[in-house]
Amino acid sequence: LAKTTQPISMDSYEGQEVNITCSHNNIATNDYITWYQQFPSQGPRFIIQGYKTKVTNEVASLFIPADRKSSTLSLPRVSLSDTAVYYCLVGPPGRRALTFGSGTRLQVQP
Amino acid sequence: GAGVSQSPRYKVAKRGQDVALRCDPISGHVSLFWYQQALGQGPEFLTYFQNEAQLDKSGLPSDRFFAERPEGSVSTLKIQRTQQEDSAVYLCASSLVVGGDTDTQYFGPGTRLTVL
Repeated sequence: LAKTTQPISMDSYEGQEVNITCSHNNIATNDYITWYQQFPSQGPRFIIQGYKTKVTNEVASLFIPADRKSSTLSLPRVSLSDTAVYYCLVGPPGRRALTFGSGTRLQVQP
Repeated sequence: GAGVSQSPRYKVAKRGQDVALRCDPISGHVSLFWYQQALGQGPEFLTYFQNEAQLDKSGLPSDRFFAERPEGSVSTLKIQRTQQEDSAVYLCASSLVVGGDTDTQYFGPGTRLTVL
């Protein structure tokens, strides 16, 4: 399994764009990159998944460079409700056991 | 139902007691997963069911942990002779299928177990 490295914590203010970068140097050819979000006292929630270039949905964008050794989750104009832990996961589609790591704790201030 | 539900949400047990944690997956979801989340850490995989078959139990930390899903829907995670190190949040997730692109796992709110 590809090992992922992401910052332990980040701080931001409401209305700012937040970019969380994840390193995954030994990503395999058939691996996808998936991001989950977890609020306190809740289970993780799928945010976005991609393989290469850029993916965008109503919640976030995911940027993946050509070498795929890193990826960046971009949250536009964050609000207080975006305060959560964000996990970067790397693995093949259809995998059973998700490997989460410690995640990035994002704190959004007013 | 609308999502994965778990009960109880909180459980306090004395060391040595047995506990049973319940998971109701999203209706129609074939796959069901259990994870353990220690304080300040990410979830760690425990076990996986496809319908009623337990296909992977490699993450169960000891033989005190037992999971079942007898009718391919509701699942129960049982911990016998609880120890303090079992204190954690136990998360259940379900997915429609495993394999291919539709492998998104939907998580329940978890059961917080505290062993005194």
